[in-house]
This record gives sequence, structure tokens and C-alpha cells, in this order.
Amino acid sequence: QSVLTQPPSVSGAPGQRVTISCTGSSSNIGASYDVHWYQQLPGTAPKVLIYGNSHRPSGVPDRFSGSKSGTSASLAITGLQAEDEADYYCQSYDSSLSGFYVFGTGTKVTVL
Amino acid sequence: QVQLQESGPGLVKPSGTLSLTCAVSGGSISNSNWWSWVRQPPGKALEWIGEIYHSGSTNYNPSLKSRVTISVDKSKNQFSLKLSSVTAADTAVYHCARKDAAFDVWGQGTMVTVSS
Repeated sequence: QSVLTQPPSVSGAPGQRVTISCTGSSSNIGASYDVHWYQQLPGTAPKVLIYGNSHRPSGVPDRFSGSKSGTSASLAITGLQAEDEADYYCQSYDSSLSGFYVFGTGTKVTVL
Repeated sequence: QVQLQESGPGLVKPSGTLSLTCAVSGGSISNSNWWSWVRQPPGKALEWIGEIYHSGSTNYNPSLKSRVTISVDKSKNQFSLKLSSVTAADTAVYHCARKDAAFDVWGQGTMVTVSS
């Protein structure tokens, strides 16, 4: 049911920069609803990395950054580290039907 | 800080009702937050199920609305999920979460398998 599309996987060598896209539509990201990003390590609960499109919670390294434009959003990880290997999800709100929160399809980040 | 802990049966029979509870500790369920249930089938993406406010107001995912009931017990500082007429497609890890700007606090999740 995911209406936010992400690439299934991205990879990079340690120290490199990778980006993850999150493509939505006019009823969610394009309707100016905020985008949030979560990191999910294997076997654990998701953890919020970015909220309100570009804000980092306390304790999240500044290697993680978020942006939004039009009907899409992006998460960038600079200076990739082995501990960044995880699944990443974007999340927003969709105003279609009666309105509901929606997550992206998820992206697996692999550190080569 | 606020912590969440899910509890409930790990196995539910097809056509039965899945029932889970989320205990809130380190804070009051009656503060200005909405409280949600989110599930994740094995190897798949996260799916928002629904949310409740301490007043009892609820919002549900339209795709599940006909089968979902979320309730709150302020005296026990907890909220609950009931999902009826379950099938194998409802097999998932079920998380409870607090909604602030984002879902900022999560329970560890509990695996629920639908099988006879």
C-alpha cells in the first residue's frame, strides 16, 4: 500500500556519500506535508533520523541530512560508515481518502 | 524518558481477532501526543494502522479501518489494538509508537503470526 517510492537498495564505500530518494505525489509530499526519515537496524525498531524534512533530533550525527522539493524528498548520508548499514524509510501524511500516515517502500543501504 | 512496551499473544488463528496492548512508562498517555500502531510484515515495509488520543479520538488507515479498533485506558496508562478477521497477510511485527512531529518513540515490537 506504500504510496511513497524509494529505491530498493543503495550502496557505497566507507567515506562516500549516498542519497536515498522518496517519490510521492500531490496528495502527500506535494501537498506540503512534512517528510520524516527513519533508520531501522536489523531486528530493531525504527529510529527517527530526520523530522520535519530537514531537522535532526539530538544525537543524530550531522552526516545525515534531509531535503524536500516538489513531490519528492531525499536523505543524504555523507562520510558513510559501516554502522550506517541498515534499512531506511521515509514517512509523510497522505490526504487522499480520509487521510492517513504513509511510509516509503524502504531502502537497504549497504556499506561495501 | 518515555518507553513503550507491546504485549499480547504471538499466535492467532485465521478469522480470529488479534489483540495487543502497549504500556506507556516514563510519561503520561494524557499528554499532548497521539499514540499509534505500526506493523511490518516479514521482509516488507512499515504500515501505519491507526492512532488514538487520550480523549479517545481515533484515526485509522482506510485499508484496515473496517477491521481495526484502537482504545485507550488512561487509568493503566496504556492503549490497545484489536484487529478482527485476521488472515496470514496480517502476520507481522506490531509496534506501538508515539507521534510528535514524527514517530519519535517506538516499542521494540511484538511478532504476531496468524496460523491454525
